[in-house]
Amino acid sequence: QVQLVESGGGLVKPGGSLRLSCAASGFTFRDYHMSWIRQAPGKGLEWVSYISTSSSYTNYADSVKGRFTISRDNAKNSLYLQMNSLRAEDTAVYYCAGRSPSIAAAGGGFDYWGQGTLVTVSS
Amino acid sequence: DIQMTQSPSSLSASVGDRVTITCRASQSINSYLNWYQQKPGKAPKLLIYAASSLQSGVPSRFSGSGSGTDFTLTISSLQPEDFATYYCLQSYSTPLTFGQGTRLEIK
Repeated sequence: QVQLVESGGGLVKPGGSLRLSCAASGFTFRDYHMSWIRQAPGKGLEWVSYISTSSSYTNYADSVKGRFTISRDNAKNSLYLQMNSLRAEDTAVYYCAGRSPSIAAAGGGFDYWGQGTLVTVSS
Repeated sequence: DIQMTQSPSSLSASVGDRVTITCRASQSINSYLNWYQQKPGKAPKLLIYAASSLQSGVPSRFSGSGSGTDFTLTISSLQPEDFATYYCLQSYSTPLTFGQGTRLEIK
């Protein structure tokens, strides 16, 4: 069955770095546009970054631009988020999410989500 | 950036009630509007995409409507498993933006 499994979260000091990974299985990963979406404790959802199927296009929320880098390895069915210069306000559960070709053709959002990984930025 | 405003922010209702949640965009997003359901400690689940298309496996009591700037999610007859938080998401342009959420509680 379809699975997205995030890893790499944890406790990091302000100014530190962390690399999140998302392992995909059960579907043709290379055909899916992917994003990272986060949710601060007790708060709503915030889109963080997007990458196209071939990595030719990436985009970022202003809040993370210049600090975070999204990438993917279609041969390894994996999505990544390199997070540098972390701040307390980056504390959140980070979800990887995928958009299937049929949903993308309709201009829709993300139909596959992982279970999330918690990133805590604190001294 | 496109701002998404959801209302109400919270709602109390009973099993069997008909419930409507609205989402307004700060500019036209055509029909690029999605609805999600999230339960505590779980990832969001896609209910409706392209404003009115029911995602596979989602019960038919859920429906969506609207285009341009005004959208609605309707649950025709609330079931116990529907008590959750609901979010809209515009997929018209980046940055993609979510509404602030509507918490649906049992009356």
